[in-house]
Amino acid sequence: NAGVMQNPRHLVRRRGQEARLRCSPMKGHSHVYWYRQLPEEGLKFMVYLQKENIIDESGMPKERFSAEFPKEGPSILRIQQVVRGDSAAYFCASSPTTPTGFGSPLHFGNGTRLTVT
Amino acid sequence: DQQVKQNSPSLSVQEGRISILNCDYTNSMFDYFLWYKKYPAEGPTFLISISSIKDKNEDGRFTVFLNKSAKHLSLHIVPSQPGDSAVYFCAASRGGGADGLTFGKGTHLIIQP
Repeated sequence: NAGVMQNPRHLVRRRGQEARLRCSPMKGHSHVYWYRQLPEEGLKFMVYLQKENIIDESGMPKERFSAEFPKEGPSILRIQQVVRGDSAAYFCASSPTTPTGFGSPLHFGNGTRLTVT
Repeated sequence: DQQVKQNSPSLSVQEGRISILNCDYTNSMFDYFLWYKKYPAEGPTFLISISSIKDKNEDGRFTVFLNKSAKHLSLHIVPSQPGDSAVYFCAASRGGGADGLTFGKGTHLIIQP
């Protein structure tokens, strides 16, 4: 998993606070994906971004959640007014600049574990 | 609702034997299938993939079989080793993998000495 860097590894927030999760993709990758894993569940797709563009946000909750991938700097997943149900592991993945179809698997970071108290 | 299903939450296999992990999918538009391995407190690591134009792909001890008519794929690990103990996720996508992946819930493989 070296290459896709996520921070922080662990984040504790009280209900109502904001959580900011950061992801730096692998070098040369400009496609970023965010996934959420709830306890005892698989990874659920949230959002797919390219530099400065949201390509697919069909998995994002309609409220409180937003994501960005600016021209410079990491991708940010932002959760406003967190609730206990937001407690989960959030994984970021990246893929090469130009999707080459078959054989271009996503590379994942080690995740950020968000705990809402 | 669950488009990718892994019906066995856990599987216990003796070291040296074959491990077979199964995965079913419902969306006939999926054309690219992957297996990821995940250790605790780490992110998923890509293991092996197969496109819908093939029915088998092999990489060392790992082989993935795809049965499109049954919408079923399986991962075979032989021989199983202690380091194979992990959670294995089946994933699928459309469009050759450029879109986001749809994951199953995972199977926890335990290799017993």
